[in-house]
Amino acid sequence: DSGVTQTPKHLITATGQRVTLRCSPRSGDLSVYWYQQSLDQGLQFLIQYYNGEERAKGNILERFSAQQFPDLHSELNLSSLELGDSALYFCASSVEGQGERAFFGQGTRLTVV
Amino acid sequence: SQELEQSPQSLIVQEGKNLTINCTSSKTLYGLYWYKQKYGEGLIFLMMLQKGGEEKSHEKITAKLDEKKQQSSLHITASQPSHAGIYLCGADDQAGTALIFGKGTTLSVSS
Repeated sequence: DSGVTQTPKHLITATGQRVTLRCSPRSGDLSVYWYQQSLDQGLQFLIQYYNGEERAKGNILERFSAQQFPDLHSELNLSSLELGDSALYFCASSVEGQGERAFFGQGTRLTVV
Repeated sequence: SQELEQSPQSLIVQEGKNLTINCTSSKTLYGLYWYKQKYGEGLIFLMMLQKGGEEKSHEKITAKLDEKKQQSSLHITASQPSHAGIYLCGADDQAGTALIFGKGTTLSVSS
């Protein structure tokens, strides 16, 4: 158990809909990362937050947004969903957000039908 | 942007055989991480390498970092079915903020 909790574990939704994925980092970790994993693209970095502030942005679509709340949990919002958004979404956390290992959650499997 | 290329993409080895997985960065490496993933599950941390020439071992897995070549290798000795999975290398990008990953190497071990 990494200490990082992601909910829900599975999500099935229709095209055009909006969903929210939730991540609770390990106790004491200030940084949260979001990743998308699909078979053809591998593990793609989406965005990183540190203590409530956005720190780094990767290949995140404009339809996607995220935030980190004062209690340090984070949410990834995906809107206007397309079939191609079907993937595993991972959250990871670390203490400082650089130069150290990150702990990964078990992921949320999103299926868009 | 920095990219990590892993080779091979997939590997099938017989139980008991040794194998090596490589990870090459397009830019200077500031920190290299190896993770293992069972299909559809979360990533499990294996090792972190920070200095050129550094070598670390955990059970039968050894990882090395060649800073000059911007490359890391992961070596498994006497492979077992429990070693099967996807091995991913990750690195801190040049700004030291984003943790990026290669596409992974899928390892199958036949008994």
